[in-house]
Amino acid sequence: GAGVSQSPRYKVAKRGQDVALRCDPISGHVSLFWYQQALGQGPEFLTYFQNEAQLDKSGLPSDRFFAERPEGSVSTLKIQRTQQEDSAVYLCASSQGSINEQFFGPGTRLTVL
Amino acid sequence: AQSVTQLGSHVSVSEGALVLLRCNYSSSVPPYLFWYVQYPNQGLQLLLKYTTGATLVKGINGFEAEFKKSETSFHLTKPSAHMSDAAEYFCAVTPTGGGNKLTFGTGTQLKVEL
Repeated sequence: GAGVSQSPRYKVAKRGQDVALRCDPISGHVSLFWYQQALGQGPEFLTYFQNEAQLDKSGLPSDRFFAERPEGSVSTLKIQRTQQEDSAVYLCASSQGSINEQFFGPGTRLTVL
Repeated sequence: AQSVTQLGSHVSVSEGALVLLRCNYSSSVPPYLFWYVQYPNQGLQLLLKYTTGATLVKGINGFEAEFKKSETSFHLTKPSAHMSDAAEYFCAVTPTGGGNKLTFGTGTQLKVEL
């Protein structure tokens, strides 16, 4: 069956632009996670949804970062007024429940010039 | 707060040799422990996990890991390396009971040489 998909796979933005990154989780998965992976580092948690409810956004680095999952399936991570330090791979993962295995998408590589 | 330390950002082994990737965790209570593998331009794939029960855990592709509470370690091993094992490996933890977010180590890049 289909896994977690993310689009676009690559995004180049000029500093100050807004970007939107999309995640399509595995059908029926209740939980959805966003992680940020800087070059040469491990992924770092950004935010977590259970269905449409955003239960944890403690990892969002600033108020320029915003995530939503309005219908409990597809999620969008939005970054406003992008900065160079936002350059990273953004990974989305989904799971059947909060304690189950997380399945990761291929990520979106964001480069801010 | 939990943290994960992976000793050795780069490990090189010969094909057929033992693979040993080290992971130590810091947590007030033993967490759930995971090893993920990441191939270039791909997402992370779960190799194995420890939650409860037997401390020696077997995963996919011939990998296994042993949870040692006294050493706060969860090292990943494979008896005989294959060229296809070349990838980046991440150790991760999550609170007992699952909770939600994974806390990852910084990763170990495994190189397999002929």
